[in-house]
Amino acid sequence: NAGVTQTPKFQVLKTGQSMTLQCAQDMNHEYMSWYRQDPGMGLRLIHYSVGAGITDQGEVPNGYNVSRSTTEDFPLRLLSAAPSQTSVYFCASSADRAKRGYTFGSGTRLTVV
Amino acid sequence: AQSVTQLGSHVSVSEGALVLLRCNYSSSVPPYLFWYVQYPNQGLQLLLKYTSAATLVKGINGFEAEFKKSETSFHLTKPSAHMSDAAEYFCAVRDGAGNQFYFGTGTSLTVIP
Repeated sequence: NAGVTQTPKFQVLKTGQSMTLQCAQDMNHEYMSWYRQDPGMGLRLIHYSVGAGITDQGEVPNGYNVSRSTTEDFPLRLLSAAPSQTSVYFCASSADRAKRGYTFGSGTRLTVV
Repeated sequence: AQSVTQLGSHVSVSEGALVLLRCNYSSSVPPYLFWYVQYPNQGLQLLLKYTSAATLVKGINGFEAEFKKSETSFHLTKPSAHMSDAAEYFCAVRDGAGNQFYFGTGTSLTVIP
């Protein structure tokens, strides 16, 4: 079982560049989410999806786009990178309306210079 | 709205001593509560969860937590700390629909030999 797979693990971007963080899960989970982790702030929700074709904004959605064309994949797009988006990004997935918790990927460490 | 407060951003214990990490929650609905552990440069791993069954919940690696509704608390304990317990610990509460987890800001546990 691969679980939740995130690529790349590390990325350096220049201000204004765009990129896509990839997330795939092989557990047939309906729920998928993107969080960012910043020191002293815990994890904050960026966007989430409750199934293919359904997405919604979380707490900190500005500057990010998502789509969910399949159950397995949930990519996160940075439209025009800014230094404030320097963070560690985690993708997570869950079944059963998250009553048993989310399974997290290993993260993508993004630096915007 | 749901929220979680973790008291103490850093906790140090001696090897073999009791570990106590504090978490208080605020929830407008019967809560689903979780503890996650994060080892350096890794994703979050589920330690244990409370889902309205037994109030004392046992998790992996010898950890347990007790749900106390009267105190709105869900503190994490382990009778005897091990060096391998050194990590960051996050408490989280699920929102009513399961779309989002609200995370605390984390507690970094140091184990002193």
